[in-house]
Amino acid sequence: EAGVAQSPRYKIIEKRQSVAFWCNPISGHATLYWYQQILGQGPKLLIQFQNNGVVDDSQLPKDRFSAERLKGVDSTLKIQPAKLEDSAVYLCASSLSQEENSPLHFGNGTRLTVT
Amino acid sequence: GNSVTQMEGPVTLSEEAFLTINCTYTATGYPSLFWYVQYPGEGLQLLLKATKADDKGSNKGFEATYRKETTSFHLEKGSVQVSDSAVYFCALKASNTGKLIFGQGTTLQVKP
Repeated sequence: EAGVAQSPRYKIIEKRQSVAFWCNPISGHATLYWYQQILGQGPKLLIQFQNNGVVDDSQLPKDRFSAERLKGVDSTLKIQPAKLEDSAVYLCASSLSQEENSPLHFGNGTRLTVT
Repeated sequence: GNSVTQMEGPVTLSEEAFLTINCTYTATGYPSLFWYVQYPGEGLQLLLKATKADDKGSNKGFEATYRKETTSFHLEKGSVQVSDSAVYFCALKASNTGKLIFGQGTTLQVKP
C-alpha cells in the first residue's frame, strides 16, 4: 500500500512569513495526526483528526497555527506568522482508527527552517 | 497524565553486542506500547508493538515485553549490527484518546 505522503520535503522561510504543509494519508485511514519534532526531541502532537472532525488540538498554538481536513482525507497545516522557534520537522501520520492497538504510519516529514 | 521516559543516549556499542534501551511509562487505563525507529534521513517506522500486559512484540531481532507491574517496555536485541544505528522512540497510545505519546528518543550508534 502507498504510504503517507507529505510535501514539501524542505522549506526555508523568514520569520513573520507564512507557510503551509500538505498531507495525504493512507487510503481508508480515518485518523490523521500532525506532530512537531524539534531537533533532539520526541515528536509532540499538535492536532488529531477523526475523519474531518478535530479530536485533540490542545497543544496547537492557535494564535499562529491552523489545520484542516475538509473532506476527511487530505490535510493542510498552516503557520502564520512563523517564529524562529517553529523550526522543526512537521510529521503527518495516519491510522485506521483511534483504538489503542491501531499503530500510526508516518510520512517522511517536512523540515521547516525559519531564519 | 500519560508520559513516556527513555534512557538518555547516545548509546554506543560494538557490532554483535547486546542492546537494551530502557523505557518506562505512566498511563491511566490500559495503553498499547510501541517502539518506533528513525534511520538517518528517513521517517519514523513502526518497529514493534504490544497491546496488553505480558505481550512480547518482536521484529528484525528486536524484542520488548509489556510489563505492567514495572510499567516498562524495554527494547532488547541480542546482537546489533551497524545497520541498526538509528534513533529509537518508545511510545504509548492511550486507551481513551487514541493519542500517541513519545519518549524523547535514544540514539544508538553501532561501530564495526
